Amino acid sequence: DIQMTQSPSSLSASVGDRVTITCRASQSISNSLNWYQQKPGKAPNLLIYATSSLQSGVPSRFTGSGSGTDFTLTISSLQPEDFATYFCQQSYSTLWTFGPGTRVDIK
Amino acid sequence: QVQLHQWGAGLLEPSETLSLTCDVYGDGGSFSGYYWSWIRQSPGKGLEWIGESNDDRSTNYNPSLKGRITVSVDTSKKQFSLKLNSVTAADTGVYYCARAPSFRGFWWFDPWGQGTLVTVSS
Repeated sequence: DIQMTQSPSSLSASVGDRVTITCRASQSISNSLNWYQQKPGKAPNLLIYATSSLQSGVPSRFTGSGSGTDFTLTISSLQPEDFATYFCQQSYSTLWTFGPGTRVDIK
Repeated sequence: QVQLHQWGAGLLEPSETLSLTCDVYGDGGSFSGYYWSWIRQSPGKGLEWIGESNDDRSTNYNPSLKGRITVSVDTSKKQFSLKLNSVTAADTGVYYCARAPSFRGFWWFDPWGQGTLVTVSS
């Protein structure tokens, strides 16, 4: 299995802050990395696929980058609706696996 | 725009069979070219992909569940289903259905169903 890790596990930030979340794969996954946002009681929602492609309808303040084993999700200017948990997911190997999540809450 | 709505029993006793169905609405309801997946979430294991099928009845399962799981697609009813046999407390969690589109060899999950809390308890 490809193991996914994320850092930090949680962070506190203010509206307007620039936020960066890191995801690391246990082996190279090329650019097969997706990011999801999940709010309490809701299903995850796709933000970015294939490392850097923004899903339709997702604000441009969300950007993704990386390749191989190291990836980042950046929120350029945190908005009130962005307080949530973020997950990465690899789609390189058919045994799709997710990171443990990064919780973003209000400072 | 495709929407998924899932349904099924939420309270099971150990050794029973978990059975969930996901209805597919919108976008012409096309099943071709997608994998139709089930994912679960629990406090202990986080998000865990458990299995998928496509309209050709090709399936992929998480090896940790192999032997207990069946995912099937019924294109005539525009739905896909999950069956998980011999459940234990370790199978407790929120179960999601999701569509897996692909593009140039990349896959992702979108959209997701609303989730079903499944509790296994005697």
